[in-house]
Amino acid sequence: NAGVTQTPKFRVLKTGQSMTLLCAQDMNHEYMYWYRQDPGMGLRLIHYSVGEGTTAKGEVPDGYNVSRLKKQNFLLGLESAAPSQTSVYFCASSHTGTSFTGELFFGEGSRLTVL
Amino acid sequence: SQQGEEDPQALSIQEGENATMNCSYKTSINNLQWYRQNSGRGLVHLILIRSNEREKHSGRLRVTLDTSKKSSSLLITASRAADTASYFCATDARWNGTGRRALTFGSGTRLQVQP
Repeated sequence: NAGVTQTPKFRVLKTGQSMTLLCAQDMNHEYMYWYRQDPGMGLRLIHYSVGEGTTAKGEVPDGYNVSRLKKQNFLLGLESAAPSQTSVYFCASSHTGTSFTGELFFGEGSRLTVL
Repeated sequence: SQQGEEDPQALSIQEGENATMNCSYKTSINNLQWYRQNSGRGLVHLILIRSNEREKHSGRLRVTLDTSKKSSSLLITASRAADTASYFCATDARWNGTGRRALTFGSGTRLQVQP
């Protein structure tokens, strides 16, 4: 049982390049989330999805797009990377919204550096 | 702005001592959770306490919640070197303008347990 798997784990981009982070979960969870973690800032929610085919903006959505074409996958895209997007990105999933059950299951993170 | 804020930012103790971390939040919640993050890894759920609960135990962990003061504490008893990690509180704050709740995290307490 892999849980939540993120790929790639590390990536270096040049300003203006595009890339996609892939998150896959094998727990049949309805809800999926993308967070970014920066020193001293904690985790901030970028986008989330409450089910296949749905997406919604979080706290810091600008510069990112997401897609949830399949229930098990949640993709995070950067169309034109900027140095401010240098961060560690975490994907998480949950069975239902946190107000119902609470626990999030996290991937191991994807470290992105934009030069 | 961060919904949950942990205090202290860093804590260093000797093995066998107890570690206490505090979390304050700003708005009403349904539940509050604590997560642990080992260096370079994803977050792992530790414990959830609902707004109508005052105290909860799980092994060497004890969590308290005071909704009147909008604060929570995490106590780790008889700490071990393996407890060295960052600890985050998370609350299901209502999202701005959408009415949907999402989990928001504080910036964490870095705990160092000296062997």
